[in-house]
Amino acid sequence: DIQMTQSPPSLSASLGDKVTITCQASQNINKYIAWYQQKPGKAPRQLIRYTSTLVSGTPSRFSGSGSGRDYSFSISNVESEDIASYYCLQYDNLPRTFGGGTKLELK
Amino acid sequence: EVKLLESGGGLVQPGGSMRLSCAASGFTFTDFYMNWIRQPAGKAPEWLGFIRNKANGYTTEYNPSVKGRFTISRDNTQNMLYLQMNTLRAEDTATYYCARFSFDYWGQGVMVTVSS
Repeated sequence: DIQMTQSPPSLSASLGDKVTITCQASQNINKYIAWYQQKPGKAPRQLIRYTSTLVSGTPSRFSGSGSGRDYSFSISNVESEDIASYYCLQYDNLPRTFGGGTKLELK
Repeated sequence: EVKLLESGGGLVQPGGSMRLSCAASGFTFTDFYMNWIRQPAGKAPEWLGFIRNKANGYTTEYNPSVKGRFTISRDNTQNMLYLQMNTLRAEDTATYYCARFSFDYWGQGVMVTVSS
């Protein structure tokens, strides 16, 4: 199985900050990584697919980059509605595997 | 509008069985692989498996963590996806989601609690 090591587990930010979350795969995943936002009691919502493609409806302050084993997800100008947990997902290999998650809180 | 709606969750005793359902609408169901994912409270999601589309013979793949205990099936006449769970354990307690192949659309989730 491909392990997805996501960091940091938690993040404290002020409104307007830029934050970055990383996921490192245990092997090359050929850019097949997606990023999800999850608010309490809700299903995960896909924000980005194939490393950097914003899904329809995703605000432009969200971005993704990376290649090989190393990937990152950023939010520029954090807004109050961005307070949530974030997960990466690799879909290059079976079984699909998720990162451990990052909880974004307001400072 | 794509919609996925899970049902069938609840409380089950250890060693018991449960079948979850997912009603799909708003897209051509037979064109899509369909996934099941679960998420224990406060933890990351875990992919359980998928069932392929018509073009790929509706075959299945599973996470080794549940292979042999869980079975995914579909009724393409009713646009329904199913997850049959057998020999349930306390560690199977989670919210269970169905999602379209590329994980772009998810249902709202259904809670399964395995406890005596």
